[in-house]
Amino acid sequence: DSGVTQTPKHLITATGQRVTLRCSPRSGDLSVYWYQQSLDQGLQFLIQYYNGEERAKGNILERFSAQQFPDLHSELNLSSLELGDSALYFCASSTHGTGAYEQYFGPGTRLTVT
Amino acid sequence: QKEVEQDPGPLSVPEGAIVSLNCTYSNSAFQYFMWYRQYSRKGPELLMYTYSSGNKEDGRFTAQVDKSSKYISLFIRDSQPSDSATYLCAMKSSSNTGKLIFGQGTTLQVKP
Repeated sequence: DSGVTQTPKHLITATGQRVTLRCSPRSGDLSVYWYQQSLDQGLQFLIQYYNGEERAKGNILERFSAQQFPDLHSELNLSSLELGDSALYFCASSTHGTGAYEQYFGPGTRLTVT
Repeated sequence: QKEVEQDPGPLSVPEGAIVSLNCTYSNSAFQYFMWYRQYSRKGPELLMYTYSSGNKEDGRFTAQVDKSSKYISLFIRDSQPSDSATYLCAMKSSSNTGKLIFGQGTTLQVKP
């Protein structure tokens, strides 16, 4: 158990809908990262927040947005969902500053868009 | 072309074998090289990391980085059935962000 929690574990929704994925980092970790894992693209970096501020962005779609709250938990919002958004979404957190290579991953949220 | 290439396998070996897992990359800015292990239906966990070039050993695991060839390897000695998992290489530049670039992952099965 990494100490990172993610809810929900599974989510099934229809195309065009909007969902929110939630992540609680390990106690004391200021950085939160979001990754998407699909069979064809592998594990891809979406976005990083550090102590409430956006720090880095990957190939995150405009339909996706994220934020980190004062209590350091983070939410990833996915809107106008398409079939291709079906994937595993991982949250990770880290202790050592903003450039940490050692990231602790949560168990993931499996999103299925039908 | 992807920044990091990794053969997805699957790789099947008998228990006790030496396993070699590899990745190649194209971005010369990468300075940190990691190996993550992912069991089925779980999140990845950091196995080893190396900064810049060289070797690093931790128990049965050895990580090697050859920056001149843009090639990294993970060796597993005396492989065990519990090593059966997907192994992901990951890389990062020295920038002040935690953006990791992952390989596709290699699925390893160690048969008793």
